[in-house]
Amino acid sequence: GENVEQHPSTLSVQEGDSAVIKCTYSDSASNYFPWYKQELGKGPQLIIDIRSNVGEKKDQRIAVTLNKTAKHFSLHITETQPEDSAVYFCAASSYTGGFKTIFGAGTRLFVKA
Amino acid sequence: EAGVAQSPRYKIIEKRQSVAFWCNPISGHATLYWYQQILGQGPKLLIQFQNNGVVDDSQLPKDRFSAERLKGVDSTLKIQPAKLEDSAVYLCASSLVITGQGGGYTFGSGTRLTVV
Repeated sequence: GENVEQHPSTLSVQEGDSAVIKCTYSDSASNYFPWYKQELGKGPQLIIDIRSNVGEKKDQRIAVTLNKTAKHFSLHITETQPEDSAVYFCAASSYTGGFKTIFGAGTRLFVKA
Repeated sequence: EAGVAQSPRYKIIEKRQSVAFWCNPISGHATLYWYQQILGQGPKLLIQFQNNGVVDDSQLPKDRFSAERLKGVDSTLKIQPAKLEDSAVYLCASSLVITGQGGGYTFGSGTRLTVV
């Protein structure tokens, strides 16, 4: 079946450094790729998304890139801050009569002050 | 706008007991989802409603799980009887988009279920 692979599972960076999380998907019908941030005890929160007709999108310190040919998409966080520490999930959505969204397993990001 | 409301926040039950979770989505959101999130994993879809109709329940263990969304607003998810492997966080999410274009979800804070 369709799946989304996410790497790395854990990432530790120094405050101010950049962090990159990568995902690959298998369903070629996927056309929408959201990223979620989940803090302890809370539900996932949408932080940025990208559609299949766009190769890159940026919002302040975060950016997402998409390579549809390779079925890869990545999250880039620049100038990391301690409050960026959380679990990040990528997801891939397709529409075939109804939405189907598959989540990656998550990346736990630690930003050391 | 108010977020997705879920209750209870925590629940501890013994195996073979039953439990129910409640969700109130964001007003006007036609689509409602129940996800199961096992510790250390990504959310896994259990069931998706569009208004009060089921769109996808292919991953719902129907021998023990049931869900309903009366009047296309609130939803309840029930487990009966519970098993140890049902211990997880149950997340409710809603979204506005009902066309062929994907859209982000708004998640509630979840219900953490522990089955002992």
